[in-house]
Amino acid sequence: AQSVTQLDSHVSVSEGTPVLLRCNYSSSYSPSLFWYVQHPNKGLQLLLKYTSAATLVKGINGFEAEFKKSETSFHLTKPSAHMSDAAEYFCVVSEAYNFNKFYFGSGTKLNVKP
Amino acid sequence: DAEITQSPRHKITETGRQVTLACHQTWNHNNMFWYRQDLGHGLRLIHYSYGVQDTNKGEVSDGYSVSRSNTEDLPLTLESAASSQTSVYFCASSTSTENTGELFFGEGSRLTVL
Repeated sequence: AQSVTQLDSHVSVSEGTPVLLRCNYSSSYSPSLFWYVQHPNKGLQLLLKYTSAATLVKGINGFEAEFKKSETSFHLTKPSAHMSDAAEYFCVVSEAYNFNKFYFGSGTKLNVKP
Repeated sequence: DAEITQSPRHKITETGRQVTLACHQTWNHNNMFWYRQDLGHGLRLIHYSYGVQDTNKGEVSDGYSVSRSNTEDLPLTLESAASSQTSVYFCASSTSTENTGELFFGEGSRLTVL
């Protein structure tokens, strides 16, 4: 069975410092992995996705994530946080052979201090 | 541009009333999903559909129903609203034609049951 664990429910960084949001997954097969961002009172927007091509995935707004199969991780990073990055971030997994099913992490709220 | 729209965006109702939340997508996606989002629970799947006339129960389906009469729409009905169904509801869609298909989300419907 698939599952997704986001290791931090809250992360606080200062503007201009790096961001690291951690995500571990369990999967019986090669998964597809996604990061979504949700700003207050908004829907979820796709940041980036991994689909068995390059293990380092670049997304929108300067975010990146690296797929590490040996560690079953898909951590989200950004070199320099901006105030507009303050939001909730969700790691999502779908099964490689049943890509109609999606499994959500519990979310990480990112706070960016001036 | 293709999109997914939900209505109403905000709804206040009373216990016992029937409520229907609309979801309309112009992506021509086969797959549609309804989630609820609550503090401390993340996103939980209510119902989903893989095509016209197909509906399936998710993990929190009690008290909810859906119908799929065409590709574009998946209305969510609360037969007899309860205070426990106060939540933010998100509709999403995805393509079934590729194993890299991500979810596209609506902006959400905030429902308050008094």
